[in-house]
Amino acid sequence: SQQGEEDPQALSIQEGENATMNCSYKTSINNLQWYRQNSGRGLVHLILIRSNEREKHSGRLRVTLDTSKKSSSLLITASRAADTASYFCATGPGAGSYQLTFGKGTKLSVIP
Amino acid sequence: EAQVTQNPRYLITVTGKKLTVTCSQNMNHEYMSWYRQDPGLGLRQIYYSMNVEVTDKGDVPEGYKVSRKEKRNFPLILESPSPNQTSLYFCASSLSGLDNSPLHFGNGTRLTVT
Repeated sequence: SQQGEEDPQALSIQEGENATMNCSYKTSINNLQWYRQNSGRGLVHLILIRSNEREKHSGRLRVTLDTSKKSSSLLITASRAADTASYFCATGPGAGSYQLTFGKGTKLSVIP
Repeated sequence: EAQVTQNPRYLITVTGKKLTVTCSQNMNHEYMSWYRQDPGLGLRQIYYSMNVEVTDKGDVPEGYKVSRKEKRNFPLILESPSPNQTSLYFCASSLSGLDNSPLHFGNGTRLTVT
């Protein structure tokens, strides 16, 4: 069961620009996580935001969460070529869930 | 170094020939999980394990088996592989498996079944 859906599916920007990716989900959540995947490699955890948080920062990453709209956004500021990757949001269907499910991802290309 | 190790990295096999993909983690994590990743379908969970000897089905368990005899190991078994199991497979682990526990992923196993 797909819980999160990222938008857009693909995004191409110039180095130095900001990149924004969105994630929508269907049911109530306790936490939402963002992951990065470099081509063909394993996913890497970026950041976790709790349902009682509205915004969280980590380096050049800014994540927002709007539980009323069931959506989250990931902003990467001052993008670099090394940020080229696919980005996924992941959620669990509720408290105590062991089934973290992932969206289909946004493929970000940062052009040098 | 904390890591999840999958082997092999690449595997080509024929229909019906049993195979095992190994997964091992060195972080003393309670939770381990297998995912497959297919173009247009994203990551789908196959099986997961909350602890030793405790496993449960994910979204796409058909055609797969798992076992968790030791905390660190969680092998994925395809007893009679078919071409529709051609995919990129990932093993992952986390401290608790709950949605507040980040997953650590292996580097993947690219399986081709002819």
